[in-house]
Amino acid sequence: DAMVIQNPRYQVTQFGKPVTLSCSQTLNHNVMYWYQQKSSQAPKLLFHYYDKDFNNEADTPDNFQSRRPNTSFCFLDIRSPGLGDAAMYLCATSSLAALQETQYFGPGTRLLVL
Amino acid sequence: AQSVTQLGSHVSVSEGALVLLRCNYSSSVPPYLFWYVQYPNQGLQLLLKYTSAATLVKGINGFEAEFKKSETSFHLTKPSAHMSDAAEYFCAVSEEYGGSQGNLIFGKGTKLSVKP
Repeated sequence: DAMVIQNPRYQVTQFGKPVTLSCSQTLNHNVMYWYQQKSSQAPKLLFHYYDKDFNNEADTPDNFQSRRPNTSFCFLDIRSPGLGDAAMYLCATSSLAALQETQYFGPGTRLLVL
Repeated sequence: AQSVTQLGSHVSVSEGALVLLRCNYSSSVPPYLFWYVQYPNQGLQLLLKYTSAATLVKGINGFEAEFKKSETSFHLTKPSAHMSDAAEYFCAVSEEYGGSQGNLIFGKGTKLSVKP
């Protein structure tokens, strides 16, 4: 089945130690999104790629970076995780950056910062 | 700018009872609206979406939602709750401006509990 895959499902890192979360998709979608979701809150968009074009949300901290080496893969890099970065990170894809297009979400990676 | 308000952060119903989760939006143009469900420790799954076709939208798992422009509402309903419906539900509107078409603006979510 075509899907959005996130690895790992759970990630533990230490305060200040760089960490990378990965997302892959078999949907061949042009757009890939990264969201941060803290406990009992709505997902918050960090950035998205439209093909190779990177679009950063204005309030996304510089500590968060992303790479998209090809259509299928997208990575979220947290350069120096703080305790406040502990959250669920959700990857999503859509075929177009259009208003009516459905976003398909992966299962998420839960990040714990010690 | 668009926004979404979900009334009630927690809703509890008995199994077999009607489920009603409320969502109101603000948008200066006809919106595109979505309902997503999130089970514990999982990603979001699309239940249904409104894209200006029929105002009554049917989704998966027996859910439906009605778009009411006069009330700026898009409430989610299900006639008979099942234990497996216990989850968190998010209403979202698609962002219009700032070159970020397609970005979703989520409500704060409503956690649905189903009592046996």
